[in-house]
Amino acid sequence: AQSVAQPEDQVNVAEGNPLTVKCTYSVSGNPYLFWYVQYPNRGLQFLLKYITGDNLVKGSYGFEAEFNKSQTSFHLKKPSALVSDSALYFCAVRDQGGGYNKLIFGAGTRLAVHP
Amino acid sequence: DAGVIQSPRHEVTEMGQEVTLRCKPISGHDYLFWYRQTMMRGLELLIYFNNNVPIDDSGMPEDRFSAKMPNASFSTLKIQPSEPRDSAVYFCASRPLMEDRYTFGSGTRLTVV
Repeated sequence: AQSVAQPEDQVNVAEGNPLTVKCTYSVSGNPYLFWYVQYPNRGLQFLLKYITGDNLVKGSYGFEAEFNKSQTSFHLKKPSALVSDSALYFCAVRDQGGGYNKLIFGAGTRLAVHP
Repeated sequence: DAGVIQSPRHEVTEMGQEVTLRCKPISGHDYLFWYRQTMMRGLELLIYFNNNVPIDDSGMPEDRFSAKMPNASFSTLKIQPSEPRDSAVYFCASRPLMEDRYTFGSGTRLTVV
């Protein structure tokens, strides 16, 4: 079964510093991976996705993610964090079994960017 | 486009009462998903529809939960009778056929007392 794991419940970073939010995956076959962000009292918003091709995927709001097949990871990164980046971040994988059309989400990582 | 619209935004009800949550997906989107979010269990897929037809309801926790999609522009999630453990934020999301990008509504925060 497809799954993703987000090993950190919370990540703290100072404004202006680079940030990384970690995600590892377990899939059979080629992975289809996603990052979503949730701001307080809002629904999830799409940030970026990896289907195939370049291992570095660029997304919204200056975020990017690095796909690493040997480490089965898909970490979210940003070179310089903003206070407004503080939110809940979800990694997700497309279910490639019987439920091809659904996404399976990780538990989420809360990012706190301090001024 | 107004996005995915959910109503109500907040619902407080007493245990045993019927609760109906509503969702209007984005026009033209072929898939509609209902998710539940809690601190303990994170984001859980309850059920999803393709062209108004329920495809996978394996995430629906109990027979007290039911979902319908009578047409392409409207879906409901009903809980009858409601219980305190149903308290959560319920999200609706939709996406087009050939797109992996989901659009989520703002959610309904349900509190059962």
